[in-house]
Amino acid sequence: AQSVTQLGSHVSVSEGALVLLRCNYSSSVPPYLFWYVQYPNQGLQLLLKYTTGATLVKGINGFEAEFKKSETSFHLTKPSAHMSDAAEYFCAVSTGGFKTIFGAGTRLFVKA
Amino acid sequence: DTEVTQTPKHLVMGMTNKKSLKCEQHMGHRAMYWYKQKAKKPPELMFVYSYEKLSINESVPSRFSPECPNSSLLNLHLHALQPEDSALYLCASSQERLAGGNEQFFGPGTRLTVL
Repeated sequence: AQSVTQLGSHVSVSEGALVLLRCNYSSSVPPYLFWYVQYPNQGLQLLLKYTTGATLVKGINGFEAEFKKSETSFHLTKPSAHMSDAAEYFCAVSTGGFKTIFGAGTRLFVKA
Repeated sequence: DTEVTQTPKHLVMGMTNKKSLKCEQHMGHRAMYWYKQKAKKPPELMFVYSYEKLSINESVPSRFSPECPNSSLLNLHLHALQPEDSALYLCASSQERLAGGNEQFFGPGTRLTVL
């Protein structure tokens, strides 16, 4: 069985500061890992995904994430936060097939 | 075209009404999904269609009835809903690639309110 734990339901950063959103997963087989972003009253948009290969994955809008198998983590980072990054972020895991398990989500607040 | 469209954007219905939600994609994806999302929660999978056949039903009550008329369209028929069914209903699509990481493309959702 797979599961995803996002540490911190709310994260607040100042504009220009580092963004770090934490995600740990559990999977009995090699996982596929995703980060999605959801802006208010919108659907989810894929930021980045890890399937195989390079463990540092770059996504859209300056975000990146590193797959660390030994720590079962897939944390999302961005060097410098922008006001437009304020949104809900979901980490997700899949082991193939159609089912994707989403974490509970982390709301990112960006202060001016 | 990398867009999934959903209509209507908002829907208010009574518990005795019958209504339908519609979803459309033109990316050539052969898998389509319905999710339900309550406020401040992650999406919950309801149904998956693969090649226009129902592949997954996550024990959804029969008052929700999905339909996939063709590879581009997905409907969700609603009948005799309860107030607790009020939520954001999201449609998504993906490649038919069971062995890979199926990234999903989501529509903007339909905000449903049941009175």
